Amino acid sequence: ETGVTQTPRHLVMGMTNKKSLKCEQHLGHNAMYWYKQSAKKPLELMFVYNFKEQTENNSVPSRFSPECPNSSHLFLHLHTLQPEDSALYLCASSQDPSGGGNTGELFFGEGSRLTVL
Amino acid sequence: GQNIDQPTEMTATEGAIVQINCTYQTSGFNGLFWYQQHAGEAPTFLSYNVLDGLEEKGRFSSFLSRSKGYSYLLLKELQMKDSASYLCAVMDSNYQLIWGAGTKLIIKP
Repeated sequence: ETGVTQTPRHLVMGMTNKKSLKCEQHLGHNAMYWYKQSAKKPLELMFVYNFKEQTENNSVPSRFSPECPNSSHLFLHLHTLQPEDSALYLCASSQDPSGGGNTGELFFGEGSRLTVL
Repeated sequence: GQNIDQPTEMTATEGAIVQINCTYQTSGFNGLFWYQQHAGEAPTFLSYNVLDGLEEKGRFSSFLSRSKGYSYLLLKELQMKDSASYLCAVMDSNYQLIWGAGTKLIIKP
């Protein structure tokens, strides 16, 4: 139990579907992240939110749409995805390291395994 | 560009010692992390190095040389449960984490 909960754990969707991934952290952290993990590739940072404000969007296609209603919840809305989007999507949280005094250690959720048919 | 290199896969024997190397080239340095990830599970934090030298934590130790852009994770008295992927990540000057592709460690009896 890492204090970061992701749902659903597994998701299968067609290319025309709309679905959402949900993440909740109970650690009092002020930063939340979405990562994409594909086999044998480094973790790819998708989005970062600090204090609910999006501070990073690493050229992610618009078919992925993040939402951060408060500092404890993070969503990833999915629509018209492609088969190459099939991957493990990991949510993480941390204390923002840029202010000093924090290492920025990430706490990850268990991930949502997405398959796009 | 920024880059993290670590071996793709390593094999070791139960009870033995294994060293997983990580070399990096990044824009600035604000610390190096090692994470462990069992198949189908979340990555979990193992160690953090920001100064040169060795950090020991039970059976696991992590070493850093900033001048050489090099770190290693040392696992002693290997157990079957240590079979996992080990991820090296460096925080750059913008506090962004740069990740390696991970090293899959296979432990044999």
